[in-house]
Amino acid sequence: EAQVTQNPRYLITVTGKKLTVTCSQNMNHEYMSWYRQDPGLGLRQIYYSMNVEVTDKGDVPEGYKVSRKEKRNFPLILESPSPNQTSLYFCASRRGQADQPQHFGDGTRLSIL
Amino acid sequence: AQTVTQSQPEMSVQEAETVTLSCTYDTSENNYYLFWYKQPPSRQMILVIRQEAYKQQNATENRFSVNFQKAAKSFSLKISDSQLGDTAMYFCAFIKNFGNEKLTFGTGTRLTIIP
Repeated sequence: EAQVTQNPRYLITVTGKKLTVTCSQNMNHEYMSWYRQDPGLGLRQIYYSMNVEVTDKGDVPEGYKVSRKEKRNFPLILESPSPNQTSLYFCASRRGQADQPQHFGDGTRLSIL
Repeated sequence: AQTVTQSQPEMSVQEAETVTLSCTYDTSENNYYLFWYKQPPSRQMILVIRQEAYKQQNATENRFSVNFQKAAKSFSLKISDSQLGDTAMYFCAFIKNFGNEKLTFGTGTRLTIIP
């Protein structure tokens, strides 16, 4: 089954404790992306990757890191999480062309206390 | 930069009725794509419908159709014969036709179908 898998689905943690949200896709997609969803703001892009070892900032990259060492994986790293990073996070992937629909993971609810 | 505006934060409609969700966008591009995504309470993001800007014909997918007005930069979603399962958050999204471009989302419309 074609899918984007995120883990964990829920996480409650404390300020400053490094965390990683994993994302993996099995569709051989070139393009992967991370979004955060906040009430009243819709989804905003954090980082994206066009292919292995190619990543770039989205609209709200501050406080986040990513890596793309393998085509299927695109982890999101919060080196020193803060309460303003409490949000619902989505990983997505698509083929390289812009007209291709994005496939989303099921989301990760992060709460930073 | 592109912007997408959904001016209706919440809507509700009786089951079996028709409802239209509004979306406007701002861009200087001529070649782009527009999408409607649905997010039910399970919070999955599900593609509802896609429209290519170079096509004048409005896209349709079963009970879902769009009214695409390129000159007015408007892209509304019509849901006919609404069902309880249509209760969800609906997001309008825009992307330029270039490989590394990102989806720009609107702020969403929360639609409730009343039994």
